[in-house]
Amino acid sequence: GDSVTQMEGPVTLSEEAFLTINCTYTATGYPSLFWYVQYPGEGLQLLLKATKADDKGSNKGFEATYRKETTSFHLEKGSVQVSDSAVYFCALSDKGGSEKLVFGKGTKLTVNP
Amino acid sequence: SQTIHQWPATLVQPVGSPLSLECTVEGTSNPNLYWYRQAAGRGLQLLFYSVGIGQISSEVPQNLSASRPQDRQFILSSKKLLLSDSGFYLCAWSPNSVSPLHFGNGTRLTVT
Repeated sequence: GDSVTQMEGPVTLSEEAFLTINCTYTATGYPSLFWYVQYPGEGLQLLLKATKADDKGSNKGFEATYRKETTSFHLEKGSVQVSDSAVYFCALSDKGGSEKLVFGKGTKLTVNP
Repeated sequence: SQTIHQWPATLVQPVGSPLSLECTVEGTSNPNLYWYRQAAGRGLQLLFYSVGIGQISSEVPQNLSASRPQDRQFILSSKKLLLSDSGFYLCAWSPNSVSPLHFGNGTRLTVT
């Protein structure tokens, strides 16, 4: 079945450091890919998404590119802030939207001032 | 605007006791509704989803059940909790199957 593998956390960075959180997937067909973020004490929020190969999703300075050849959707940000501290979830849907989203385990990011 | 409410925020229950978690959505009609669980060390797992009143699809066999008695109300239940039911339960909604999910703040359930 479909699956998502994220890099193990936790990840601890200093403010203004470069962030990469790796995500690879296994799916039949051409899934849509998502990054969700969960800030402390809150529910998950959609951060960005990409629906086809070579698409780049971006939001709040975060970017991720849908790489079909490497089945990856790595999350990057050039300069993290303390307010980016959260848990980040990679997810896929083989139905293009919210039906039956398959999530990774999540990666906890802590950014220190 | 649409909002989703989920309660309680935390719950501690003994093994064998019943469970009822409630989720309601405001500001929309006929949403798709979902229950997810995040167990320790594991990713989010879809438990149930519903596309309409009385329509429930179960994704994994388990000790839990779900019901949708009203259009914007989704309830997660168990008759007898197991230790393995401990986890973080998240309710979510979407206006249709191609739109992103909107999550509630979750319920932390500890079964002792």
